[in-house]
Amino acid sequence: AQSVTQLGSHVSVSEGALVLLRCNYSSSVPPYLFWYVQYPNQGLQLLLKYTSAATLVKGINGFEAEFKKSETSFHLTKPSAHMSDAAEYFCAVRSGGGADGLTFGKGTHLIIQP
Amino acid sequence: DAGVIQSPRHEVTEMGQEVTLRCKPISGHDYLFWYRQTMMRGLELLIYFNNNVPIDDSGMPEDRFSAKMPNASFSTLKIQPSEPRDSAVYFCASSRGGGTVANGYTFGSGTRLTVV
Repeated sequence: AQSVTQLGSHVSVSEGALVLLRCNYSSSVPPYLFWYVQYPNQGLQLLLKYTSAATLVKGINGFEAEFKKSETSFHLTKPSAHMSDAAEYFCAVRSGGGADGLTFGKGTHLIIQP
Repeated sequence: DAGVIQSPRHEVTEMGQEVTLRCKPISGHDYLFWYRQTMMRGLELLIYFNNNVPIDDSGMPEDRFSAKMPNASFSTLKIQPSEPRDSAVYFCASSRGGGTVANGYTFGSGTRLTVV
């Protein structure tokens, strides 16, 4: 069965600093991996996804993530944080080969300090 | 495209009452998912449908919960009777294609349910 672990329920960075949100996954088959963002009182919005093509994936709002099979990781990064990036971020995994739902991590709340 | 539409946005009900949450998926999407979000458990998959047929309902917490999809453009999640521990945000999501197609899901804005 697939699972996702997000390290750190809260991450605080200064505006302009590097953002790094960590995600490790477990999957018995080659995974498809996703990052979603949730702003207060809203649904989840897809940031980016990995689908076994390029290991470095670029998403919206300047975010990117790198798939590292040897480390079973899919960390999310952004070179320079903006106040508007403050939100909840979810990593999710979906195993290929079957119509399974997404398994989400617990989420990481990103706080941007002015 | 209007996206995934959920109603109501907020629902407050008394314990023991029946609650019905509604979802309209994106036209052309053949998968529909119901998720529940709480602080304690995070996001949990309750049930999902493919072409209006329930595929996996193993996440439905108990018999008080039921879900239907009478046609491709409408689904309901019903709780009867409701209990305070059902208080959560319920999300509906839809996607095109199955597990071999790595499409992300499109989520609705959610229904915030409070059972008092």
